[in-house]
Order: sequence, then structure tokens, then C-alpha cells
Amino acid sequence: AQSVTQLDSQVPVFEEAPVELRCNYSSSVSVYLFWYVQYPNQGLQLLLKYLSGSTLVKGINGFEAEFNKSQTSFHLRKPSVHISDTAEYFCAVHLVGNEKLTFGTGTRLTIIP
Amino acid sequence: GAGVSQSPSNKVTEKGKDVELRCDPISGHTALYWYRQRLGQGLEFLIYFQGNSAPDKSGLPSDRFSAERTGESVSTLTIQRTQQEDSAVYLCASSLGSGTPYEQYFGPGTRLTVT
Repeated sequence: AQSVTQLDSQVPVFEEAPVELRCNYSSSVSVYLFWYVQYPNQGLQLLLKYLSGSTLVKGINGFEAEFNKSQTSFHLRKPSVHISDTAEYFCAVHLVGNEKLTFGTGTRLTIIP
Repeated sequence: GAGVSQSPSNKVTEKGKDVELRCDPISGHTALYWYRQRLGQGLEFLIYFQGNSAPDKSGLPSDRFSAERTGESVSTLTIQRTQQEDSAVYLCASSLGSGTPYEQYFGPGTRLTVT
């Protein structure tokens, strides 16, 4: 069975500083990888996804993530955060041939002015 | 266009009562998913509908949980004889189809509190 691990439940970062949110997964088959963001009092929305091809994927709001197959990781990064980036971030895995998303437990990103 | 909508947004119920949660997917989306999000935890898959195929119920935690979907439209998630551990946010998502990992569009959720 696949699983997704987000080791950091909370990450405080100063405004305009860089941030990396970590995501590791385990799976015996090929996967597709996603990052979703949940702003306060809103539903989840897709930030970015890796399906195939280039391992560096760019998403909305200046975020990017890199798929590392050997380390089974898909860490999310942003070079300079803003107050508006305050949200909960979820990493998710979709097995090739399966219809379900398996989510991590989420990382709450707090931006310090 | 309209996104995924869910109702009610909040529901408080007494232990032992039945509740029905509703999801209206985006028009044209053939796939519909229900997830549960407990406080401090990730999203837990409950059930998946794709067109007229038999639903994937593998995530339903007990036989008190059931869901229906009429064609490619509205879905209802029913929880019978609610327990306190059922308290959570129930999220619905829809997508264009299956096979390729189409983006799932999420509704705002229904916050269920069982007292």
C-alpha cells in the first residue's frame, strides 16, 4: 500500500524568506504526485502536479516542486514567501492505474511579518 | 463557472442520529469522490463514483456509512447512528474522468459535529 509522509506539521517562516515543505512517499508502483493548498476557511485547490517528464514542476503563486525518484520525495519550495501564503499544504499520491488520492497529514505554513 | 458545492456547511447532531450530506459536482464531471478530514489529520478517502460503474466503497469505515449518486449529478453521503468519532469535515471532489489523473476540484466541505 502507498503512503505519504509530511514530517513537518507546522512551519513558521519570516516573510520574504525561502521555504521548503517536505514530502516523502512509499509505493511499489509508479505514482503521480500532487500538492494541494487549503487557505483558511476555503476548500483545497491544486498547487502543482507531477505526471511525467521534467522532474521540476512549477505551480501557481511561485511554488515549485522537484520529484526525486531515488529518494521518493516531492518537496515543495518557494524562494520568497508572502503573508498570503499562510495556509495548510497537503502532499498527495495517485497510483498509476488507481483512482484514489492518498494524502499526507498536511503542513501548516505560517508567515511571520 | 460554478465549482463543487456542498450542503450543509455545518451540521451539529446528537449521537445516534442519522445525517445526510450533499454534494453537487461541477457539471460534466463524471468522477466524484468523498473524503473525511479529521482534526489534525490528512484527508481520508471514503468512496469514489465514476459514471455508471459500481462505486469503489473501499474507504468507508463501517456499514453505518453509505453514499449514493444519481447518474453524473448530485451525491449524498449518509451516516447512520452517528458516533462522536464521526466528527470531521467531509469533503467532496469531482473530476473530468478516470484513467488519467485529472485534477480533483474540491468543495468547501461540511463540518459535522456529533455531540
